[in-house]
Amino acid sequence: DVKVTQSSRYLVKRTGEKVFLECVQDMDHENMFWYRQDPGLGLRLIYFSYDVKMKEKGDIPEGYSVSREKKERFSLILESASTNQTSMYLCASSTPGGQEAEQYFGPGTRLTVT
Amino acid sequence: AQSVTQLGSHVSVSEGALVLLRCNYSSSVPPYLFWYVQYPNQGLQLLLKYTTGATLVKGINGFEAEFKKSETSFHLTKPSAHMSDAAEYFCAVKSAGRRALTFGSGTRLQVQP
Repeated sequence: DVKVTQSSRYLVKRTGEKVFLECVQDMDHENMFWYRQDPGLGLRLIYFSYDVKMKEKGDIPEGYSVSREKKERFSLILESASTNQTSMYLCASSTPGGQEAEQYFGPGTRLTVT
Repeated sequence: AQSVTQLGSHVSVSEGALVLLRCNYSSSVPPYLFWYVQYPNQGLQLLLKYTTGATLVKGINGFEAEFKKSETSFHLTKPSAHMSDAAEYFCAVKSAGRRALTFGSGTRLQVQP
């Protein structure tokens, strides 16, 4: 079974702090994704990576950056956390495959910024 | 840009009743279509997907969905709801040239005893 793990289930940070969210997958997938989930908005893509050190902006990249130094690990970074970044963050991975390749999701990190 | 519309943010059914969750998409070319389920405090799990071929797709837990190109719809159904089906359901699309999924806003299903 594909396993995608996220470093924390719950996180509370203060405004202005630098925040790291870590994601690890064990299936040697090339593609990794970070989504943000908010009520009534579904999931929105922040960033994705299609190879080590390769990344592309998603639909809402402002205020975020990412790092992928190893194939299995994809980190989301909030350089200076703000209250409007309070949300559920979901990591996913997939094979390059074709367009039909499904994404496998981690359990999510619920981040609260106070 | 492609988009996904899920009608009804909350749907409530009685145990044993038909489940119908609606999804419409906008895409200039036939996309690949997915339904995911999210149980409380968990990540998303794939229920089923449509790629090519048969338009009626069967998934896990007795769910199925039908791709109707003329209606740009991909509605999710289950003949008889079970209490364990209570969750949030997301429809998603992926079209050529885009690596990531575009999600609908989700539908929370409640199952009443």
